[in-house]
Amino acid sequence: SQQGEEDPQALSIQEGENATMNCSYKTSINNLQWYRQNSGRGLVHLILIRSNEREKHSGRLRVTLDTSKKSSSLLITASRAADTASYFCARNNDMRFGAGTRLTVKP
Amino acid sequence: GAVVSQHPSRVICKSGTSVKIECRSLDFQATTMFWYRQFPKKSLMLMATSNEGSKATYEQGVEKDKFLINHASLTLSTLTVTSAHPEDSSFYICSARGGVGENQPQHFGDGTRLSIL
Repeated sequence: SQQGEEDPQALSIQEGENATMNCSYKTSINNLQWYRQNSGRGLVHLILIRSNEREKHSGRLRVTLDTSKKSSSLLITASRAADTASYFCARNNDMRFGAGTRLTVKP
Repeated sequence: GAVVSQHPSRVICKSGTSVKIECRSLDFQATTMFWYRQFPKKSLMLMATSNEGSKATYEQGVEKDKFLINHASLTLSTLTVTSAHPEDSSFYICSARGGVGENQPQHFGDGTRLSIL
């Protein structure tokens, strides 16, 4: 079965707002990775967070990890129309993906 | 950053044809490569994991005789869809991981859109 379930499945916001996406997983992890996919393209690696880390930042991206709840969140601050894409999480153990969150940022 | 090249980007062919898709790591050695299939507006479904020099590990439900994977070198893996039929039409994506251990990010190709008529 595929691991890493993201929610919400779809999110629509206005430019400038923050977007929060969540990821839950079922078994233990060494690390968790977040990816972005533009329509019809491959995935772009965003952030890798290790199991012993609780928070990580990269530009406007902030990822948190709660291993006790087996969940992670991706926050995009001050969103832009160019952030419109699908976002996925995956455990590096097996690189299986959840359904993803389709983010639409309206200009 | 690391680059993975996937070729071709699009294939349209007749039913019964075999189609080969190449996945190359351009600036790193990929010890492990992954092949995925993606349906419209759906997630990526892992098909198989291949390690250089050994047989690929296929996910449950994926026919190994239908989807032949060869990972003959540290920079190249190929997926051959044999005797393709319309139901094989899909978006196929490869990814590569270099280095040792699991704390290495995946680098993805841009995908191959396969359409079988």
